[in-house]
Amino acid sequence: KAGVTQTPRYLIKTRGQQVTLSCSPISGHRSVSWYQQTPGQGLQFLFEYFSETQRNKGNFPGRFSGRQFSNSRSEMNVSTLELGDSALYLCASSRDTINTGELFFGEGSRLTVL
Amino acid sequence: TQLLEQSPQFLSIQEGENLTVYCNSSSVFSSLQWYRQEPGEGPVLLVTVVTGGEVKKLKRLTFQFGDARKDSSLHITAAQPGDTGLYLCAGPSGYALNFGKGTSLLVTP
Repeated sequence: KAGVTQTPRYLIKTRGQQVTLSCSPISGHRSVSWYQQTPGQGLQFLFEYFSETQRNKGNFPGRFSGRQFSNSRSEMNVSTLELGDSALYLCASSRDTINTGELFFGEGSRLTVL
Repeated sequence: TQLLEQSPQFLSIQEGENLTVYCNSSSVFSSLQWYRQEPGEGPVLLVTVVTGGEVKKLKRLTFQFGDARKDSSLHITAAQPGDTGLYLCAGPSGYALNFGKGTSLLVTP
C-alpha cells in the first residue's frame, strides 16, 4: 500500500514569509503527527491530530499550526518564518493511538529559511 | 517531558565489528521503540519493547529493555555497511513520541 506522502519535498523561503506543508497518511490511518528534525535538537514533536481534532501539542510557538481534514490528510503552517525554522519537517501516521503502535513516517519536507 | 539520552552520539566502525548503543532516561516508560533513519528518508520502526527485561532479536540486531523500563540497548553483531544510519529510540508521552537525539552509525567496508 502507498506510504505517507509529504509535499513539497524541498522549499526555500525568506524570513517573514509563511509556509504550508501537506501530508497524506496511509489509507485507513486516522492519526497524523508532525515532527521537526534539526541536527541540534533532533526530532521534536509539534502536534498530533486524530479525526480532525488536535489531541496533543508540543512546545512550539503559536506561529506553528496545523489541521486535519475529514479524509485524514493534514497540513501544517508556519507563519512569520525565522532562520531557526530551517529544518526537516516529518509527518507520521498511525492507525489510532501511538502509545504502543507504529509510526509510519514520510520522507519529510526540507525547509530552508534565508 | 520525559527525556531520552542516547549514547554514543556518533560511531564509526568497520564491517564485521560488533557495537552497542544505549538509550537512557530517568523516567519509566510503558514501552520503548527503536527506529532507523537513512539519509533523505523518514525513520522506520525496527522494534517495540514493552516488558521490563525483554530481549528481542531482529536478525543481527538485539534489543533489550531494562528491568526498570528506564533504559534500552541495541546491539549489532557483525555490522554491515547497510546498517549505516541514524538510530533513534522513542518513548510514548500522551499522544506523542519523545525521541532521543540518536546515534549516527557509519559502517565502512
